[in-house]
Amino acid sequence: EVQLVESGGGLVQPGGSLRLSCAASGFNFRTYSMNWVRQAPGKGLEWVSYISTRSPTVYYADSVKGRFTISRDDAQNSLYLQMNSLRDEDTAVYYCARDPNYYDHWGPGTMVIVSS
Amino acid sequence: DIQLTQSPSSLSASVGDRVTITCRASQGIANSLAWYQQKPGKAPRLLVYAAFRLQSGVPSRFSGSGSGTDYTLTISSLQPEDFATYYCQQYYANPPVTFGPGTTVDIK
Repeated sequence: EVQLVESGGGLVQPGGSLRLSCAASGFNFRTYSMNWVRQAPGKGLEWVSYISTRSPTVYYADSVKGRFTISRDDAQNSLYLQMNSLRDEDTAVYYCARDPNYYDHWGPGTMVIVSS
Repeated sequence: DIQLTQSPSSLSASVGDRVTITCRASQGIANSLAWYQQKPGKAPRLLVYAAFRLQSGVPSRFSGSGSGTDYTLTISSLQPEDFATYYCQQYYANPPVTFGPGTTVDIK
């Protein structure tokens, strides 16, 4: 059974940093591209970042470019999102989601609250 | 970026009703469209991809159709567990993937 489980969310002050993790199991992680998608409270879904397989290609939404870094560790079956210079508008539930292009499996999400 | 609009933004329906949700793209997306269902406090669930292909395990009362810029999700006979918010997503021009604003289906 495919499982994705995010962790690392919490309360952080504006300007602070957090590192999110996504633990994958039940499939050959190294053969799938992965994504982070977020959802602000009461709002819709927003794609955040993408990482391909192997020598990874990465992409970011304009709203996070230069502040967030996506990475993966295939040996640990894990996906990461380093979030720096956090802003109030980054408050959201962050989901990891498995590609291909559409997202066939999602984790339950981890909540990030940016507030002073 | 390709923009997606959904209509209606919300609807009220009864169990057994036929429900249709529309998604319109700002340019042609060549059937590169997915539909998701999301219930409160839960992650989205993939229902349909490539405009009309039903994801494994999704009940056959769900169906997708459309072409070009206009796409539709239909629930042929609404069940109690179908009350949720539905999102369309395009992956034709990727990145960025974009989502529609959502359609909430609630009980009449």
